[in-house]
Amino acid sequence: EDQVTQSPEALRLQEGESSSLNCSYTVSGLRGLFWYRQDPGKGPEFLFTLYSAGEEKEKERLKATLTKKESFLHITAPKPEDSATYLCAVQLNQAGTALIFGKGTTLSVSS
Amino acid sequence: DTAVSQTPKYLVTQMGNDKSIKCEQNLGHDTMYWYKQDSKKFLKIMFSYNNKELIINETVPNRFSPKSPDKAHLNLHINSLELGDSAVYFCASSGDTYEQYFGPGTRLTVT
Repeated sequence: EDQVTQSPEALRLQEGESSSLNCSYTVSGLRGLFWYRQDPGKGPEFLFTLYSAGEEKEKERLKATLTKKESFLHITAPKPEDSATYLCAVQLNQAGTALIFGKGTTLSVSS
Repeated sequence: DTAVSQTPKYLVTQMGNDKSIKCEQNLGHDTMYWYKQDSKKFLKIMFSYNNKELIINETVPNRFSPKSPDKAHLNLHINSLELGDSAVYFCASSGDTYEQYFGPGTRLTVT
């Protein structure tokens, strides 16, 4: 069964304290891995797409990396405005274009 | 300009009623989706609709029926609402790059 697991479920950081979020996946054929940010009461906001092992993408304080079994979202020197739920999703080669989501990591950054 | 919009944002109704949620995208995308986010914030695909082809998720009860009057619109009609239908419903769209852009969500409460 295709599966996406995110850890930890919740993460509390002090402002400036860097850390990483993990997304591990077990799928039959990966087309792409997606990271989204979701703020309370809003829809998921697209951050990154990664297609192949070794690929990295950056945006401000966020950097996403991909291996054959997992992806990491590295947060460098986070600020309170980075507080949100971060969702990982995979898209499979043979299953149309729908996304399979993990349950998310809720990040809280305090000043 | 809003890329993906949904109406209404909140919907409160009684068991047994029939209701519709509307979605519109102005991104020129060919594919649109409906996702359900449960009380534990887990996002799950319900339907994807590419031009005139509907891909049905087999776990969705047939009380749910998507309807697409044109490429920019995908509505969700729900018959005989049940308590378990209470959730947040998100519409999304994607183009050639597979990145999905989500609407703000419709919070459905069935009493």
